[in-house]
Amino acid sequence: NAGVTQTPKFRILKIGQSMTLQCTQDMNHNYMYWYRQDPGMGLKLIYYSVGAGITDKGEVPNGYNVSRSTTEDFPLRLELAAPSQTSVYFCASSYPHRTSGISPAYYYEQYFGPGTRLTVT
Amino acid sequence: GIQVEQSPPDLILQEGANSTLRCNFSDSVNNLQWFHQNPWGQLINLFYIPSGTKQNGRLSATTVATERYSLLYISSSQTTDSGVYFCAVEQGTGGFKTIFGAGTRLFVKA
Repeated sequence: NAGVTQTPKFRILKIGQSMTLQCTQDMNHNYMYWYRQDPGMGLKLIYYSVGAGITDKGEVPNGYNVSRSTTEDFPLRLELAAPSQTSVYFCASSYPHRTSGISPAYYYEQYFGPGTRLTVT
Repeated sequence: GIQVEQSPPDLILQEGANSTLRCNFSDSVNNLQWFHQNPWGQLINLFYIPSGTKQNGRLSATTVATERYSLLYISSSQTTDSGVYFCAVEQGTGGFKTIFGAGTRLFVKA
């Protein structure tokens, strides 16, 4: 398995340009996520999807759009790029693990792609 | 929303030393994970540990959910342990809306 792949690895955009960050996973995971990581900070959730055709906003969705037409692909669209969108973008996918014990529950181990480093100037 | 604070923010160790990283969270959580981001940016899931203790080789983690903190122990540190360690929590049960702390940056000197 290739796991989670992202393209491109690096991109420089001019202010006002648009682009799509691609994310593909071959693990048949239902859940997929987009995060951004600003320098020296943790990751912030942009959008997530619980299955094909279903998406929802995370912490920082403004300026981005997503779609999920297949289980494998979860592209992130930037319209009218702004310098504040300069960041490293990570895509992730997960599936539910069932814990053992008297009261089993589900947890979701996330698998991350290598990231896309985006600069908007 | 829930706050996740990690300490220390930066840590420099001599190879072979032990260390403890801490994660405090401001509300009850259903899920807590520790991640390692290596110097090349790749994120690796270390532990899923909403409560209790787990060990994996030189790493172990303990979460005391009632007191809202988790600890990551690194023993006999190696240069390959360098990178950033993130704590991430989830309040709901749906497997999404994970909140990350700002991380602890670890540098292990040879």
